[in-house]
Amino acid sequence: KAGVTQTPRYLIKTRGQQVTLSCSPISGHRSVSWYQQTPGQGLQFLFEYFSETQRNKGNFPGRFSGRQFSNSRSEMNVSTLELGDSALYLCASSPERAPRMAFFGQGTRLTVV
Amino acid sequence: DAKTTQPNSMESNEEEPVHLPCNHSTISGTDYIHWYRQLPSQGPEYVIHGLTSNVNNRMASLAIAEDRKSSTLILHRATLRDAAVYYCIVYPHNNDMRFGAGTRLTVKP
Repeated sequence: KAGVTQTPRYLIKTRGQQVTLSCSPISGHRSVSWYQQTPGQGLQFLFEYFSETQRNKGNFPGRFSGRQFSNSRSEMNVSTLELGDSALYLCASSPERAPRMAFFGQGTRLTVV
Repeated sequence: DAKTTQPNSMESNEEEPVHLPCNHSTISGTDYIHWYRQLPSQGPEYVIHGLTSNVNNRMASLAIAEDRKSSTLILHRATLRDAAVYYCIVYPHNNDMRFGAGTRLTVKP
């Protein structure tokens, strides 16, 4: 079974631009969560989607948004990028029968210049 | 969410057992205890989870105190590949996972 796939792996954007990151969960997993990881703040929860509905949301500004499609693939969008948005963005998927077992992708490294 | 406290770092020798502690004194009755680890340049990896009883799997063992205010992740024989940041997470069913700073484990040959 293929693991969680995140694209792209690396991205460089300019302040003020917007960016869209993609996550393909493990086949059969309907829950997808997103995290931001920075050296200063560690791993911070962004949001979780289940069956195309946002189920939980972390403490991030409205510039951070996400969505999930009917095939469980998910995207997250960051608008009006700031230098502080430079981070590793991680996606995780979980099976319904074991919601606490999250499987993470390798992440997308976003650099804002 | 219940807060967890872990040592910032620990060292171990290769092929020796490692006991990684975690305090979660504000845990509630329905909170599960999870452990994940993050190897360099990779996303976190699920290790083990439990509620009240001790748990074993092929990667590790989880020992949970009787009052559930603390737990210990046990790696029975550390290898160099076990060098990682280990996260202890406590949260209720269906809620999101909040990661702390974790314990950075160094394994010496």
